[in-house]
Amino acid sequence: NAGVTQTPKFQVLKTGQSMTLQCAQDMNHNSMYWYRQDPGMGLRLIYYSASEGTTDKGEVPNGYNVSRLNKREFSLRLESAAPSQTSVYFCASSEVGQGSAGELFFGEGSRLTVL
Amino acid sequence: SQKIEQNSEALNIQEGKTATLTCNYTNYSPAYLQWYRQDPGRGPVFLLLIRENEKEKRKERLKVTFDTTLKQSLFHITASQPADSATYLCAYSGSARQLTFGSGTQLTVLP
Repeated sequence: NAGVTQTPKFQVLKTGQSMTLQCAQDMNHNSMYWYRQDPGMGLRLIYYSASEGTTDKGEVPNGYNVSRLNKREFSLRLESAAPSQTSVYFCASSEVGQGSAGELFFGEGSRLTVL
Repeated sequence: SQKIEQNSEALNIQEGKTATLTCNYTNYSPAYLQWYRQDPGRGPVFLLLIRENEKEKRKERLKVTFDTTLKQSLFHITASQPADSATYLCAYSGSARQLTFGSGTQLTVLP
């Protein structure tokens, strides 16, 4: 079972460069999420999509954009990368929205370093 | 604003003992709490969910309690094994209807 697949797994960028993190899920879930994880900070929500065609800001959306391409795919774009965006990024999906008690299924993470 | 806090230090215990991890929240009681396990270099994996009106939930060697008076959830692993070594995260859904995670507790079970 593939579950949630993220690409790339590792990426090094220079300040000011742009890139897109891709995420796809094969569980037919309605909701998808992007989190970042930094040491000692826990997982922080960047953006989420409750259903196809909708996106909403999370706790730390500045510097990011997202696209819910279809029900399966949810991409995260960094238009002009900054060193503060060095982090591990996780995509997740769930059958229901976060206000409902649905468990999250996470991908394996994308490790991004911005020099 | 609501905060969620977990044991900030790593927890080391001997194999076979019961590990107890703490998740504290500061203000209102969340409708439910979730617990996840995260291994190094991997994404979190869901373990258990406990609702506000439930005192206790069990799954195999895992037990979660929810004490709204103490504003605390405890996560227990009985008969712990080295394979239980991981970071354990608690999460709650607050007024913003977003799942907010604690920073996690790193558990090491010593053989």
